[in-house]
Amino acid sequence: GAVVSQHPSRVICKSGTSVKIECRSLDFQATTMFWYRQFPKKSLMLMATSNEGSKATYEQGVEKDKFLINHASLTLSTLTVTSAHPEDSSFYICSALKKRAAYEQYFGPGTRLTVT
Amino acid sequence: AQSVTQLGSHVSVSEGALVLLRCNYSSSVPPYLFWYVQYPNQGLQLLLKYTTGATLVKGINGFEAEFKKSETSFHLTKPSAHMSDAAEYFCAVSDSGNTPLVFGKGTRLSVIA
Repeated sequence: GAVVSQHPSRVICKSGTSVKIECRSLDFQATTMFWYRQFPKKSLMLMATSNEGSKATYEQGVEKDKFLINHASLTLSTLTVTSAHPEDSSFYICSALKKRAAYEQYFGPGTRLTVT
Repeated sequence: AQSVTQLGSHVSVSEGALVLLRCNYSSSVPPYLFWYVQYPNQGLQLLLKYTTGATLVKGINGFEAEFKKSETSFHLTKPSAHMSDAAEYFCAVSDSGNTPLVFGKGTRLSVIA
């Protein structure tokens, strides 16, 4: 199978601090990972596309300096929420594209971020 | 640009009854279509997908969906609802297998005993 993990699954932080969320493909290589954000009772909105070894591509309206994405290896992408504010509280979900396998996009279990 | 419309934010069915969740899409290129299920506080699980070929797609847990190009639809069905089917269901579209998905707003399915 193809498993994607996220860590942590749940995090509470104080306003003004930074939080790092990890997305790992456990048993396959992923050249591309996507980061989505899901507001309560809402759909998933794409935040950015993370490509291994290059800069992430951000969607319009997403602040790249606030949501730092690093894709340092073929199995790991990280999203760092800098200077977090209560409005950043959300459910963050990553997905990973399996290398050399079309239509194979696997989602992580999500990370619930609460900023107090 | 692609878009997905899911008719009905909430659908309620009786246990054993037919489940029908509607999805219409907009795409300027041949679409790749997906249905995902999400249980509370969990990530997304792929139910089924259409890429090419047979327009009737069978997925996990007894679900299936039919791609109808003329109607730009990809409705999800299951002949007999089970209590464990209660969850949020998302329809999504992509223009290829390597691009991010565009999601509908989701439909919450409730199953009544």
